[in-house]
Amino acid sequence: KNEVEQSPQNLTAQEGEFITINCSYSVGISALHWLQQHPGGGIVSLFMLSSGKKKHGRLIATINIQEKHSSLHITASHPRDSAVYICAVSGNQFYFGTGTSLTVIP
Amino acid sequence: NAGVMQNPRHLVRRRGQEARLRCSPMKGHSHVYWYRQLPEEGLKFMVYLQKENIIDESGMPKERFSAEFPKEGPSILRIQQVVRGDSAAYFCASSMLAGHYNEQFFGPGTRLTVL
Repeated sequence: KNEVEQSPQNLTAQEGEFITINCSYSVGISALHWLQQHPGGGIVSLFMLSSGKKKHGRLIATINIQEKHSSLHITASHPRDSAVYICAVSGNQFYFGTGTSLTVIP
Repeated sequence: NAGVMQNPRHLVRRRGQEARLRCSPMKGHSHVYWYRQLPEEGLKFMVYLQKENIIDESGMPKERFSAEFPKEGPSILRIQQVVRGDSAAYFCASSMLAGHYNEQFFGPGTRLTVL
């Protein structure tokens, strides 16, 4: 069993839709990270959070420490949001989810 | 302020050769982490280094792989006698503060292909 589970694995949305990606973890953590990886490209850190909620532009990340669960929301999705979104947790080590591949269709 | 730099971006090696991957952290960062992303798999932690010290190498394969972060110069991930299964994207990240739990900035990755 992976320490970090993400759902869905793949997601296709129409431009403008509200998107939610979920992440559950099974280890003790100090922080949870949401990363974005574009095809053939590098990795960008979107959020690092240890409690509550953070917002950056159209992106919102929430975490529930008691339930060991986090969500990444994208409001008013756009084709340029198409990427793989990776949830990772850090404590004694860094554990990654396998990613959610998002495609936003114009 | 340049971000994390990795070179080469693409590396092709034949089985049995050595691969050297370099990572220059962001200015002011003295902590470097290496990760491997195998085809169709997620990222996996390999090693965490501070200048001249290996802090955590629990994710490193026991043989053929080594890493260093000298006092001067980039961090180097070295793979000896490469095999086809080493083909992957290798990412490095750096942080200003110590520990896995601090914000890390990722480099663009080195894509290693072993023929």
